[in-house]
Amino acid sequence: EAQVTQNPRYLITVTGKKLTVTCSQNMNHEYMSWYRQDPGLGLRQIYYSMNVEVTDKGDVPEGYKVSRKEKRNFPLILESPSPNQTSLYFCASSPDRRDSRNTGELFFGEGSRLTVL
Amino acid sequence: AQTVTQSQPEMSVQEAETVTLSCTYDTSESDYYLFWYKQPPSRQMILVIRQEAYKQQNATENRFSVNFQKAAKSFSLKISDSQLGDAAMYFCAYRRYYGGSQGNLIFGKGTKLSVKP
Repeated sequence: EAQVTQNPRYLITVTGKKLTVTCSQNMNHEYMSWYRQDPGLGLRQIYYSMNVEVTDKGDVPEGYKVSRKEKRNFPLILESPSPNQTSLYFCASSPDRRDSRNTGELFFGEGSRLTVL
Repeated sequence: AQTVTQSQPEMSVQEAETVTLSCTYDTSESDYYLFWYKQPPSRQMILVIRQEAYKQQNATENRFSVNFQKAAKSFSLKISDSQLGDAAMYFCAYRRYYGGSQGNLIFGKGTKLSVKP
């Protein structure tokens, strides 16, 4: 089954304790992205990656890191989480525009609910 | 920078009636996609409908249709014969083409739709 898988789905942690949210897709997509969703603010982009070893900042990158060493994986790293990073996080992917499967659509993971105390 | 505006934070509709959700966007590009995503209480992001800017014909998917007004930069979603399962947060989103690639997905802040039995 074609999917984007995020882990963990739920996490409660404390300020300063490093954590990683993993994201993996099995659709051979070039493009991957992380969003955070907060009430009243919609979804805002944190980081994105156009392909392996190519990453770039989105609108709200502060406090986050990413890496793209393999095409299928795009982990989100919070080196020193703070309470303002309490949010719902989504990973998403899509094929390259030149891919015949491309419809412009992003395929989303199920979300990771993170609480930082 | 491109922006997406949803001016209705909340809407309500009677079951079996029709409701229209509004969306406007700001861009200087001519080549882009527009989307409506649905987010039910499960928090999944589900694609409802998509529109390519070069296509003048409005997209339809069963009970869902759009009114795409390119000159006015308007992209409203009409839900006909509303069902209880349509209750969700609805996000309008924009994604541009540029060169041989496609840009990031930019979301509006969402409209929460309630369906009354």
